[in-house]
Amino acid sequence: GAGVSQSPRYKVTKRGQDVALRCDPISGHVSLYWYRQALGQGPEFLTYFNYEAQQDKSGLPNDRFSAERPEGSISTLTIQRTEQRDSAMYRCASSLRVSTEQYFGPGTRLTVT
Amino acid sequence: GQSLEQPSEVTAVEGAIVQINCTYQTSGFYGLSWYQQHDGGAPTFLSYNGLDGLEETGRFSSFLSRSDSYGYLLLQELQMKDSASYFCAAYGGATNKLIFGTGTLLAVQP
Repeated sequence: GAGVSQSPRYKVTKRGQDVALRCDPISGHVSLYWYRQALGQGPEFLTYFNYEAQQDKSGLPNDRFSAERPEGSISTLTIQRTEQRDSAMYRCASSLRVSTEQYFGPGTRLTVT
Repeated sequence: GQSLEQPSEVTAVEGAIVQINCTYQTSGFYGLSWYQQHDGGAPTFLSYNGLDGLEETGRFSSFLSRSDSYGYLLLQELQMKDSASYFCAAYGGATNKLIFGTGTLLAVQP
């Protein structure tokens, strides 16, 4: 596609439910990044992949968060047993290779009630 | 730890020049990037300084001084459409990740 796409764009879930957020990077982009952005703050690094290999997951807040990119293209960020503090904008970005020039998707606004 | 600090808000008038500063404390630093984010939109890449000095891209310029752990974004001939949040981001660390600053909200007034 023309840009990074994310789905769903909005997700409202009840506390304790699991959610899966999807990211479809720009075709041919090797690197894929997940960030979380609170209102009025900068993107907070969560994890990133080169191809299907997860290179760094140091930003994942706890073991309820996981991510995968099994075929080196689409990626899924999964949050298990959601809590209200997980409410945020989750953004995905991709780049041709590991780079500072990253292309961000529109984000998924997650609300945990 | 890693941290990048920026002023929270800056106000300027159309046609003026504004400088947004960024100081950083990071390990394994390679360079400094700048991103623009309009309200409700996604961050978009503006520039990257891998070396000390000034990089110019049209109306925008970015500067880095490694010895001072300091950089800035300079916006010239300000336009109303430049009203947005601007983030500096440090690139590097053991795994070449991007760590974003706190962001500066620029308001351009007529």
